[in-house]
Amino acid sequence: AQTVTQSQPEMSVQEAETVTLSCTYDTSENNYYLFWYKQPPSRQMILVIRQEAYKQQNATENRFSVNFQKAAKSFSLKISDSQLGDTAMYFCAFMKGGGTSYGKLTFGQGTILTVHP
Amino acid sequence: EPEVTQTPSHQVTQMGQEVILRCVPISNHLYFYWYRQILGQKVEFLVSFYNNEISEKSEIFDDQFSVERPDGSNFTLKIRSTKLEDSAMYFCASSERQFYNEQFFGPGTRLTVL
Repeated sequence: AQTVTQSQPEMSVQEAETVTLSCTYDTSENNYYLFWYKQPPSRQMILVIRQEAYKQQNATENRFSVNFQKAAKSFSLKISDSQLGDTAMYFCAFMKGGGTSYGKLTFGQGTILTVHP
Repeated sequence: EPEVTQTPSHQVTQMGQEVILRCVPISNHLYFYWYRQILGQKVEFLVSFYNNEISEKSEIFDDQFSVERPDGSNFTLKIRSTKLEDSAMYFCASSERQFYNEQFFGPGTRLTVL
């Protein structure tokens, strides 16, 4: 079974600063995908960024980037130039690729990020 | 922009009663999911559904739970005889494809079992 761990229950950052959210996971799979989802106070979860495990290059989406360390089973999210709208709960999630998986996401505990003006 | 909708937003029920949570996935999506989040805990996978049948279910998804796609638009989760521990936020999600594909989540239904 896969597990996802987010060791930072809460983080805060000043507007325009950079913040990094940590995520580690445990799996024996070789083919998998990793995701960061954002859940703003309105509670609808939105995909922020995703990474295929076989790709060594770190994914980037505008101000959001990841540091994917496959050997260390680490998948951190970096938010640059933080904005007030980034205030949300952030979830790291794992998905097995192929085999007996049918798109099941395994989530971490979440990190509450607060961006201060 | 298309989105997943869920009704009701909040459901209060008595222990032992049946509840049906409703979801309308995005129209061209083929894969459907239910997750739940007990207050203060992780979001947990319940079930995935494709081609009118369950693809995968978790240990939580026992005989008290069932899912159905009764028509071309709705996707429902039924809990036959609710327990206090079923109190949680229930999220529906849908995706166009299976792997590496963005799952679009609904806003959730808060279920309170008294």
